[in-house]
Amino acid sequence: SQQGEEDPQALSIQEGENATMNCSYKTSINNLQWYRQNSGRGLVHLILIRSNEREKHSGRLRVTLDTSKKSSSLLITASRAADTASYFCATDDRPGQNFVFGPGTRLSVLP
Amino acid sequence: GAGVSQTPSNKVTEKGKYVELRCDPISGHTALYWYRQSLGQGPEFLIYFQGTGAADDSGLPNDRFFAVRPEGSVSTLKIQRTERGDSAVYLCASSRGLASPEQFFGPGTRLTVL
Repeated sequence: SQQGEEDPQALSIQEGENATMNCSYKTSINNLQWYRQNSGRGLVHLILIRSNEREKHSGRLRVTLDTSKKSSSLLITASRAADTASYFCATDDRPGQNFVFGPGTRLSVLP
Repeated sequence: GAGVSQTPSNKVTEKGKYVELRCDPISGHTALYWYRQSLGQGPEFLIYFQGTGAADDSGLPNDRFFAVRPEGSVSTLKIQRTERGDSAVYLCASSRGLASPEQFFGPGTRLTVL
C-alpha cells in the first residue's frame, strides 16, 4: 500500500533558521497531508496538498509537491523553539481511501 | 464539539482483559478513522468509517480488534483478550469526507497492558 517516507529522520537547527523536511512515496497519490505532533499525543493538521497542486503556503509553512519525483517538501521559515516536534506526511492513493503515514522527522529547534 | 475527543485519556489493564476506547468526532464529520501509534513511529491505520459502515478495516491486526459506529457519530474501538503488544497510543481522527479529506485528530488514549 501507499506509504510516505520522511527524510531526514532527525534534524537540529538554530532558532531563526529554515527547516526543510522531505517526503517520498512509491505510487501515485490523490492527496498528501503534513502533520505536526508534540510530545507523542494528538497530531495537528498543517497542510493538505492535492495531486494537481504544486505549492501551498500557510503562514511560515510552505509545502511543495513534485508528482514526477513522487516527493513533497515542507519548509518552515524563521523557525522557533516552539516548532520543535515530529513532522509526518500522510498519503492516500485514491479518493475514499485511508491515509498512510510515514515514520516522521523529529525536528529540534535550539534557542 | 470544538474538536475530536477521546476517552479515557489513559487506560491500564491486565493481559487478557477486554477494553473499550471511545471517540467523539467533530460534529458533522462523516468520516472517522482509528490509528495506533507506538513510541517513535508514525500512526498505523486500523479502520475507517464513512457514516455507520466500515469502509476499510484492513488495518485491524487480528479478530481481537473490532470497532463500531452505530449512529454515524461516536465510535468505539473494542479490544478483546488484550496482549502486552497492544500497548500503544490509540488515535482517532475525523474528516468531512471525500470533498474535504483533511483529518483532525483527538488527543489519543494511551493503553498500557500489564
